Amino acid sequence: DAGVIQSPRHEVTEMGQEVTLRCKPISGHDYLFWYRQTMMRGLELLIYFNNNVPIDDSGMPEDRFSAKMPNASFSTLKIQPSEPRDSAVYFCASSFLEMNTEAFFGQGTRLTVV
Amino acid sequence: GQQVMQIPQYQHVQEGEDFTTYCNSSTTLSNIQWYKQRPGGHPVFLIQLVKSGEVKKQKRLTFQFGEAKKNSSLHITATQTTDVGTYFCAVSGAGSYQLTFGKGTKLSVIP
Repeated sequence: DAGVIQSPRHEVTEMGQEVTLRCKPISGHDYLFWYRQTMMRGLELLIYFNNNVPIDDSGMPEDRFSAKMPNASFSTLKIQPSEPRDSAVYFCASSFLEMNTEAFFGQGTRLTVV
Repeated sequence: GQQVMQIPQYQHVQEGEDFTTYCNSSTTLSNIQWYKQRPGGHPVFLIQLVKSGEVKKQKRLTFQFGEAKKNSSLHITATQTTDVGTYFCAVSGAGSYQLTFGKGTKLSVIP
């Protein structure tokens, strides 16, 4: 398996534009997590899914953020409209079965909003 | 979600010196995981601790889980330049499926 695949690797966009980040989890994994990493706040859990169903989105900063998982092999994180403070590295991670297993991270998407 | 405090935030060591990072929680943890993130990279799983008082070793790395399952440590013996990166603990509380990360300890190794 190629691991967790995220796209794009880098995204530069203007304030107010819509941004969509994509993630393909490892096949067979039933948990998918979206994290945001910044110098100030570290790694923050935004939302996670179990079997394609959003379980906890309490980490989503505001209504401008939304995440979907239409099937077991694809998830998106959308920001609309984007703001400069959204600039960060966004990681997708997946894991198998329960919480007691390691999370496999994708390479991340570095988002810059100017 | 579960809260966890990780210290120190930064550590600079001379190559060959030892290094330790600590992770502390105010509540009992069901398990704790440790990850390493190289500069410009993504977090990579190192190990998971589940049992009270558990000690695991990976070459020069020693991981401990406290008896009360509220704290953990990662110790590196005789650091090398390849150890450079940020070390994170990640926790999930009893009955919780959220994996919450500490702020991490950034390790710099001076050759």
